[in-house]
Amino acid sequence: QKEVEQDPGPLSVPEGAIVSLNCTYSNSAFQYFMWYRQYSRKGPELLMYTYSSGNKEDGRFTAQVDKSSKYISLFIRDSQPSDSATYLCAMPNQAGTALIFGKGTTLSVSS
Amino acid sequence: GAVVSQHPSWVICKSGTSVKIECRSLDFQATTMFWYRQFPKQSLMLMATSNEGSKATYEQGVEKDKFLINHASLTLSTLTVTSAHPEDSSFYICSASRGAMGGNTIYFGEGSWLTVV
Repeated sequence: QKEVEQDPGPLSVPEGAIVSLNCTYSNSAFQYFMWYRQYSRKGPELLMYTYSSGNKEDGRFTAQVDKSSKYISLFIRDSQPSDSATYLCAMPNQAGTALIFGKGTTLSVSS
Repeated sequence: GAVVSQHPSWVICKSGTSVKIECRSLDFQATTMFWYRQFPKQSLMLMATSNEGSKATYEQGVEKDKFLINHASLTLSTLTVTSAHPEDSSFYICSASRGAMGGNTIYFGEGSWLTVV
């Protein structure tokens, strides 16, 4: 089983839709959970991060962590065409020496 | 926010030649830098971790003699692809850490597209 699993999509939604992106992970020791956004042919940029369980909201974005299920989610409200990108979940490995990335979900928001 | 600069952003080279990619942390000292490789529609795959002043730690399956990493200062790490072949064509991305792993301490460069012809 891979340490981090993420459905690569692609996911296509109309403008204004609510988007749900998800990852599962296998190591219960993971504590930090990050979401990165990557536009085509660009480096990833940090979107949100959470520590341990719970929710964190930032504008139209909400990150949710359920450690009991080893499941993390990113919700995007009122999605915009500019949200079209690949979203990668990431978490530090147990040794804290590097980030482990999910495969990334490609999102397309049509106007 | 913190900025990590990568250069060149794209490069085309002939098969058999070597190419150097630079990664600089512009406004902070990065004790650790990471080099990733990303093929189209694939995730980022960690190649190696480099700490300033010491040898890089390579991930399993990554040839250290082919992908030379030098972390000469707290703000600069370089990746040299030696004797490049077409299969080395990929998107190479560096990241720099300015503290303990987690949260908002990791910053990524814009990536470098390498095409070997």
